[in-house]
Amino acid sequence: NAGVTQTPKFRVLKTGQSMTLLCAQDMNHEYMYWYRQDPGMGLRLIHYSVGEGTTAKGEVPDGYNVSRLKKQNFLLGLESAAPSQTSVYFCASSSSGGLGTEAFFGQGTRLTVV
Amino acid sequence: RKEVEQDPGPFNVPEGATVAFNCTYSNSASQSFFWYRQDCRKEPKLLMSVYSSGNEDGRFTAQLNRASQYISLLIRDSKLSDSATYLCVAMNSGYSTLTFGKGTMLLVSP
Repeated sequence: NAGVTQTPKFRVLKTGQSMTLLCAQDMNHEYMYWYRQDPGMGLRLIHYSVGEGTTAKGEVPDGYNVSRLKKQNFLLGLESAAPSQTSVYFCASSSSGGLGTEAFFGQGTRLTVV
Repeated sequence: RKEVEQDPGPFNVPEGATVAFNCTYSNSASQSFFWYRQDCRKEPKLLMSVYSSGNEDGRFTAQLNRASQYISLLIRDSKLSDSATYLCVAMNSGYSTLTFGKGTMLLVSP
């Protein structure tokens, strides 16, 4: 009963390093999302996908790239990490929309950029 | 202006109290609304959806007023385990993205 799984759970990066966060869901959901959560800012949408092979920008996309090559996976990349990207990153997935559709979240990735 | 606004709190209440949270949204095209609960350093989880007719789930009651673009959550007979941050959420008109408020923190004390 995995649901949404994020890898890794914690990471410390040096400024300028790159990394990829992996999100995997086993619920056959069409929609997947990446959010970041910062103190006092709430959850902000970075990028999202409405199906395999599609991606779209959210509220705060700069400095991030994403890919959805397989329906079950949504990858978030940081090409050149900056201290401003220190945050908690949450992946979520939902079925194909409609009134009352629930989003399921992963446990989060705590990223620190030094 | 944030699309979904909430009072950040914290709301400090004793066990057994009734507490109400309010939320306003700016996008009149928003179609669906939810309350999510987030425990400290954990992921958000759905508490309940919010319907125009109002809905109740045990001790929790949610109301939606589309004319005023206002959503509420009422918690009766508060328990210690209700201590958490409550997130008000709006789904956009295309059903593809969710916009979260910053959350209201509730602290229930013995």
